[in-house]
Amino acid sequence: SAVISQKPSRDICQRGTSLTIQCQVDSQVTMMFWYRQQPGQSLTLIATANQGSEATYESGFVIDKFPISRPNLTFSTLTVSNMSPEDSSIYLCSVGSGIRTGELFFGEGSRLTVL
Amino acid sequence: AQSVAQPEDQVNVAEGNPLTVKCTYSVSGNPYLFWYVQYPNRGLQFLLKYITGDNLVKGSYGFEAEFNKSQTSFHLKKPSALVSDSALYFCAVRDNSGNTPLVFGKGTRLSVIA
Repeated sequence: SAVISQKPSRDICQRGTSLTIQCQVDSQVTMMFWYRQQPGQSLTLIATANQGSEATYESGFVIDKFPISRPNLTFSTLTVSNMSPEDSSIYLCSVGSGIRTGELFFGEGSRLTVL
Repeated sequence: AQSVAQPEDQVNVAEGNPLTVKCTYSVSGNPYLFWYVQYPNRGLQFLLKYITGDNLVKGSYGFEAEFNKSQTSFHLKKPSALVSDSALYFCAVRDNSGNTPLVFGKGTRLSVIA
């Protein structure tokens, strides 16, 4: 399984600011995804981070609010822009093997609190 | 579109007793089914998956799950619960049409009482 490191692990942010979360994988992976886990909720997919092209966003998520970069096969960033208290969540990076039957592996998450 | 239902927010079980965490799914075509566990302040850890073959799949930490196509269920089980099994458990499904991301249930909190 891949080892996934996320930074920061947690942060407290002021309303209106932006924060970038980094995800580093110890091996090259085809598929990288960003999920959000709001307090007491399940995981919701934000977007698929595509290497060398724009991310693919799920319904309800837009690039202006959650810009994503994927410069290579081991690294991605998610920015949460112009934050509000509603953005307080755990943001999780996950990777897949690229095969249909493969499970996803997750980083430990970045817990953001917006005041 | 695929979906997952975990009907119980909370499951309490005494240590040493068998446990079951329920999951039902909806997907077009054949499902790929997964269970994950989340310990406090940690990311999700993969437990087991069903792709094809035997309906009873075995995974990490003594957990197993039974795929039931007619009932569209994939319940997680363990014969003898440990206090250390206390955590949040997520069921997830993907359809077999392509390399689509997983769709997760809302999670079930398992508490094992000594």
